[in-house]
Amino acid sequence: AQKVTQAQTEISVVEKEDVTLDCVYETRDTTYYLFWYKQPPSGELVFLIRRNSFDEQNEISGRYSWNFQKSTSSFNFTITASQVVDSAVYFCALSERGAGGGNKLTFGTGTQLKVEL
Amino acid sequence: GAVVSQHPSWVICKSGTSVKIECRSLDFQATTMFWYRQFPKQSLMLMATSNEGSKATYEQGVEKDKFLINHASLTLSTLTVTSAHPEDSSFYICSASRTRLAGGETQYFGPGTRLLVL
Repeated sequence: AQKVTQAQTEISVVEKEDVTLDCVYETRDTTYYLFWYKQPPSGELVFLIRRNSFDEQNEISGRYSWNFQKSTSSFNFTITASQVVDSAVYFCALSERGAGGGNKLTFGTGTQLKVEL
Repeated sequence: GAVVSQHPSWVICKSGTSVKIECRSLDFQATTMFWYRQFPKQSLMLMATSNEGSKATYEQGVEKDKFLINHASLTLSTLTVTSAHPEDSSFYICSASRTRLAGGETQYFGPGTRLLVL
């Protein structure tokens, strides 16, 4: 069975600090997809990134960057120069083929990030 | 693009009543929609997968007669909580993806519906 582990339950940083959110996954599939979503206090999940298992290039988008290490089954997320607006719960997720068709997501338990002034 | 809406955003109802929640993909056709439930400070739990024009596939432990799902068109899926009880109070979130193929298609999420059953 697929599994996603986000060991950090809660992280608190001061604004402008860099912060890394860890994600470790388990799967038997050779082809799979990894995702990160942000859930602010309003509740809506915001899609941040999708990465397939064949693409190990790190990605940078503004202050966000992702480090995919297939050898350690990790897909970590770094926010550079954090801001108060980054405060949210961040979920890492892994896709698998669902019985109902389409990709079924297995979510980690989430990391609550608090950025303080 | 890829906007998903949910209605209503909040609902308070009496125990024993039924509640219908709508999920719409506003700017794309969603062959597959998903319904999740989230308890406070917990992760999302997949309840069912809904494909347009066919019966929903429910996850283990989810009562299909309790949570009725209909996906009548490529832009609309509904979740009906029948004879709701206080333990059904939760945050219900839908998501939509463009294809039912196993291509790791991104799921786009709606804003969620908070249900409180008194």
